[in-house]
Amino acid sequence: KNEVEQSPQNLTAQEGEFITINCSYSVGISALHWLQQHPGGGIVSLFMLSSGKKKHGRLIATINIQEKHSSLHITASHPRDSAVYICAVTLMDSNYQLIWGAGTKLIIKP
Amino acid sequence: DVKVTQSSRYLVKRTGEKVFLECVQDMDHENMFWYRQDPGLGLRLIYFSYDVKMKEKGDIPEGYSVSREKKERFSLILESASTNQTSMYLCASSPGGVNTDTQYFGPGTRLTVL
Repeated sequence: KNEVEQSPQNLTAQEGEFITINCSYSVGISALHWLQQHPGGGIVSLFMLSSGKKKHGRLIATINIQEKHSSLHITASHPRDSAVYICAVTLMDSNYQLIWGAGTKLIIKP
Repeated sequence: DVKVTQSSRYLVKRTGEKVFLECVQDMDHENMFWYRQDPGLGLRLIYFSYDVKMKEKGDIPEGYSVSREKKERFSLILESASTNQTSMYLCASSPGGVNTDTQYFGPGTRLTVL
């Protein structure tokens, strides 16, 4: 069993829909990261969080430490949000090693 | 803004060739990483370095070596390329220290070994 599990693996939605991507983990962590990878390879860090909720524009990330679960939400989705969204966690005793989820491929249709 | 650059976006090599992938960061980061990314497997850590001349094996170091002679540059070496090393290779850096582990990524190198 992977230590970081994402769901769904693939998600196709219509423009304007509210999107939720989930991440569950089974290890002790000091932080959880959400990253975005557009076609062509570039990876951009969206959020790093260790508790509660963070918001940036139409993106919202939440984490429940007790349940070992995080969600990434996109409001008013747009075709330019189409990308792979990756969840990664920093292990409790490490400052630099990340454990990665397999990613969720999101396609937003106009 | 942090900038992480990789020497090539696309590379085609033949089996048995020695391959060098270069990564340079311009923000004086302590930590640098090499990952490979394959469909369905996500990112897997090959090697990382937390200081000049210091390196540690990641999850899949076999068939690879690394070099960090200068703080800003981290090289990944495939001593004798094989077809199963065809992949997307991503370099990243992070500042180092407690709670400063956001990683910044380069654009990636798509390597094909024929």
